[in-house]
Amino acid sequence: GAGVSQSPSNKVTEKGKDVELRCDPISGHTALYWYRQRLGQGLEFLIYFQGNSAPDKSGLPSDRFSAERTGESVSTLTIQRTQQEDSAVYLCASSPLQRRGDIQYFGAGTRLSVL
Amino acid sequence: AQTVTQSQPEMSVQEAETVTLSCTYDTSESNYYLFWYKQPPSRQMILVIRQEAYKQQNATENRFSVNFQKAAKSFSLKISDSQLGDTAMYFCAFMSTNRDDKIIFGKGTRLHILP
Repeated sequence: GAGVSQSPSNKVTEKGKDVELRCDPISGHTALYWYRQRLGQGLEFLIYFQGNSAPDKSGLPSDRFSAERTGESVSTLTIQRTQQEDSAVYLCASSPLQRRGDIQYFGAGTRLSVL
Repeated sequence: AQTVTQSQPEMSVQEAETVTLSCTYDTSESNYYLFWYKQPPSRQMILVIRQEAYKQQNATENRFSVNFQKAAKSFSLKISDSQLGDTAMYFCAFMSTNRDDKIIFGKGTRLHILP
């Protein structure tokens, strides 16, 4: 596709369940980022991939959060034993990373609601 | 650590007027990138404008321009001849050139363009 695609667009789950959020970056983009946006807040960095390695996991809020990436393609963000405070929009972005300051292109996000 | 501050949580202006959104940041680095992103109700973040800190000239993109004051660490966005489609959340963001392109976002300004 032409842009970053995220699925599902909305997810409602019960507290304690596991969820998987998917991101398909723009083809050929080396870098992939996950952000969390709580209601009325800015974006909070979660994790960054360069290829399929994650040099920066510093933003993951707890060990319930994990992410994987297959090569330079799809990434999944997994939240185990979801809690109500995990409710947020989870945004994914990709970048060609050909030079510093390359633009990040964002998907439309997954809105996660934990009941 | 870098921080980005947007002091105006919400603003409203009449269509066709000019509006300025303020942003200040804190960093000890001398070279970096600054961005303004727009997030309409569709949730998809769209890059509005980018400024490289070593460039003196203020960036412009059609009706959008910035006033970059490096010494004051200020990076305001001016929208001229505002249009209804400019209604959105606007986020100011900082990217270091020394790290892996992680972007630090402000908390955003919600802009309403009134007919």
